Amino acid sequence: EVQLVQSGAEVKKPGESLKISCKGSGYSFTTYWIGWVRQMPGKGLEWMGIIYPGDSDTRYSPSFQGQVTISADKSISTAYLQWSNLKASDTAMYYCARHVSSSGSYGRRLDPWGQGTLVTVSS
Amino acid sequence: QSVLTQPPSASGTPGQRVTISCSGSTSNIGRNTVNWYQQLPGTAPKLLIHSSNQRPSGVPDRFSGSKSGTSASLAISGLQSEDETDYYCATWDDSLFGWVFGGGTKLTVL
Repeated sequence: EVQLVQSGAEVKKPGESLKISCKGSGYSFTTYWIGWVRQMPGKGLEWMGIIYPGDSDTRYSPSFQGQVTISADKSISTAYLQWSNLKASDTAMYYCARHVSSSGSYGRRLDPWGQGTLVTVSS
Repeated sequence: QSVLTQPPSASGTPGQRVTISCSGSTSNIGRNTVNWYQQLPGTAPKLLIHSSNQRPSGVPDRFSGSKSGTSASLAISGLQSEDETDYYCATWDDSLFGWVFGGGTKLTVL
């Protein structure tokens, strides 16, 4: 079974740093891009960026460029999302998802998704 | 402001058929297939429709998708109470080199 398992909920103070993880299993981790998606409380889904664990090629949404860092350690099939200076506005649920490329008549899709990591930033 | 435009809400009575629209542009829906996600409260989004009109294994055939030009739609027939939740459209944007989402539609079963 293809699965993405994310690290647990975090409570941090403004200005602190944080790194959350997303561990893949049941498939070849190095041959699929992994994307990160933010969902603020009561709001919709926002794409943050994507990484190819095979060579760590990373692309960011303009909205998140410079605000977060996406990385991966292919030796342990894990992708990461990190902040160096958290703000209260970073309070949100963060999801990772496997990016499946188009093949034949099937198009790209994000599937499956991790269970989400809730990040709360409060003084 | 989401790149893809969905109605914020939709409603129907049990057994009825409802549709949810998703409007984009030539750089996203116009060039790529559309996915639909169902998000139950407190859970991660679940792939409902991919490749504009394909149902993953396990998704009831009450759910169907279509795409035309720069728009797509999700149809739910034989509406059931458990369908009451949030639905999101998503597609790849070639200009952004990234995923774009609709703002989500909250479906109410009256």
